[in-house]
Amino acid sequence: KAGVTQTPRYLIKTRGQQVTLSCSPISGHRSVSWYQQTPGQGLQFLFEYFSETQRNKGNFPGRFSGRQFSNSRSEMNVSTLELGDSALYLCASSSTLNTEAFFGQGTRLTVV
Amino acid sequence: GENVEQHPSTLSVQEGDSAVIKCTYSDSASNYFPWYKQELGKRPQLIIDIRSNVGEKKDQRIAVTLNKTAKHFSLHITETQPEDSAVYFCAASKNTGNQFYFGTGTSLTVIP
Repeated sequence: KAGVTQTPRYLIKTRGQQVTLSCSPISGHRSVSWYQQTPGQGLQFLFEYFSETQRNKGNFPGRFSGRQFSNSRSEMNVSTLELGDSALYLCASSSTLNTEAFFGQGTRLTVV
Repeated sequence: GENVEQHPSTLSVQEGDSAVIKCTYSDSASNYFPWYKQELGKRPQLIIDIRSNVGEKKDQRIAVTLNKTAKHFSLHITETQPEDSAVYFCAASKNTGNQFYFGTGTSLTVIP
């Protein structure tokens, strides 16, 4: 069974630009969550999608948005990039409610 | 919302010794507590988890204990080996989805 796949692995963007990150969950997993990982803050929850609906949302500004498609693949978008958005963005998929999250390898975003 | 605190932030032990990492949580509704191990440059991976109806769980050299009254849970690693060196994260979640609140991580170094 293929694991969680995130693309691209690395991105360099300029302040003010926008970016889209993609996540393909494990086959059969309908829950996809996104996390921002930084050295100082650890892993912080962005949002969770289940069956194309946002089920939970973390405390991030509206510049961070996401969506999920009918095949459970998910995208995350960040608009008007700021230097502080530089981080590793991890997505995770789960098979059922409140259970193990399987993480992708992440997308390393650098904003210059 | 939930607040998870984790201590210590760094831990060095001699090979063969035990390591203990402690976490506290604030939301009494949290009922699932996973522990993730993240090696340098790799994705977080689940090493053990516990639910609120269980006080202790063990898997070979790894054990987790949970005290619901005090709202704290701990990871115990016995007979540590150099390959145990990594960053360990505790997390808490509840039955509203797959939204995990993570501690800030413990960097464990096992000295051969």
